[in-house]
Amino acid sequence: NAGVTQTPKFRILKIGQSMTLQCAQDMNHNYMYWYRQDPGMGLKLIYYSVGAGITDKGEVPNGYNVSRSTTEDFPLRLELAAPSQTSVYFCASSLLGTGGNYGYTFGSGTRLTVV
Amino acid sequence: KQEVTQIPAALSVPEGENLVLNCSFTDSAIYNLQWFRQDPGKGLTSLLLIQSSQREQTSGRLNASLDKSSGRSTLYIAASQPGDSATYLCAPNSGGGADGLTFGKGTHLIIQP
Repeated sequence: NAGVTQTPKFRILKIGQSMTLQCAQDMNHNYMYWYRQDPGMGLKLIYYSVGAGITDKGEVPNGYNVSRSTTEDFPLRLELAAPSQTSVYFCASSLLGTGGNYGYTFGSGTRLTVV
Repeated sequence: KQEVTQIPAALSVPEGENLVLNCSFTDSAIYNLQWFRQDPGKGLTSLLLIQSSQREQTSGRLNASLDKSSGRSTLYIAASQPGDSATYLCAPNSGGGADGLTFGKGTHLIIQP
């Protein structure tokens, strides 16, 4: 099925460990995004990319890094995990930054717990 | 900076009722507004996308309206069913990139059988 695929679905990390959250889309979308969702809060933008090789910070980028070597993939890296990074992470994509005729498509999320 | 408020925060009604979920936003310079549904522990499913030039958009029992100048959107759910139970999120798009979607905290909806 076409869409946004995120792996893993669940992960428990120890403080100080590193990991990469994977995100892939097969819709040939130019724009990709990483959001985090904390309980009772709205989604907040971590990083975004407007195309291969181009990334930029969102509202809450500290503690994260991204890369975009291909149109399809947009991994999010946590270098030194902290309890404050316990959250649900969503990847999204869109053909245009403004959403165009189809808006944003979201993945199913990665639930991360840092202990 | 765009801010989004959704009212009510939670709603529990018996099935069959018609419902109105409200969304207000502070910056009216938007390109479009997207309504999403989120089931517990799941991702976001797009329900409706309404462009800034449109007044409303319909899909099945769902109807979204947009009053851009007043910074308001409503999601109307007709003849509610238990399967409609979920959290509903509205997200105006102010221009893509860092100014793309801004989310409210959502309306948690429970439809009682």
